[in-house]
Amino acid sequence: DQQVKQNSPSLSVQEGRISILNCDYTNSMFDYFLWYKKYPAEGPTFLISISSIKDKNEDGRFTVFLNKSAKHLSLHIVPSQPGDSAVYFCAASANPGGYNKLIFGAGTRLAVHP
Amino acid sequence: NAGVTQTPKFRILKIGQSMTLQCTQDMNHNYMYWYRQDPGMGLKLIYYSVGAGITDKGEVPNGYNVSRSTTEDFPLRLELAAPSQTSVYFCASSWDRGTIGNTIYFGEGSWLTVV
Repeated sequence: DQQVKQNSPSLSVQEGRISILNCDYTNSMFDYFLWYKKYPAEGPTFLISISSIKDKNEDGRFTVFLNKSAKHLSLHIVPSQPGDSAVYFCAASANPGGYNKLIFGAGTRLAVHP
Repeated sequence: NAGVTQTPKFRILKIGQSMTLQCTQDMNHNYMYWYRQDPGMGLKLIYYSVGAGITDKGEVPNGYNVSRSTTEDFPLRLELAAPSQTSVYFCASSWDRGTIGNTIYFGEGSWLTVV
């Protein structure tokens, strides 16, 4: 029973365009959400997070949107760059910073092409 | 600028063999974790530790053991390797379970195949 779902295993986007990565969750107790980025042969690195008290958080080219009623969050990358090509994991926690309860999605592989 | 270091990076084990995945961090973090990632799946927590001498089970602890004798080291032990333990293993650490912004740092991963 996957509590965090990333239904698109892959996404291909042209350089300069917007990349939108989606994530759905089922547990209404989740109140803190994170996105991690992973390059091949490396560990995941933290990208951006959002608390359930917000519906948007922005950091440079990266924006995360949270729709609590739909139990859905999305990561927008604008403009997309070739260096953004990686696997992106959505993660959720039931307690802020409660990493022992951090649940990850299966990941979406983003390919940004010229 | 080492961060979280895990060894070995690749290993092939025969069924029934045992081995230890080593993990060390130089950031003086209290919290350390072991995750596994199976193909097409998200990371799943195996064990975690909130400080030296304290460990606890995560989501998928069966077939594994851990110890935390120092702040820096958190080895993961596989006693009787099984094909189901073929996976990529990630060690990670964080300062505290704290609040937003408390980043968890991952090692580069260890690819383990059990044949």
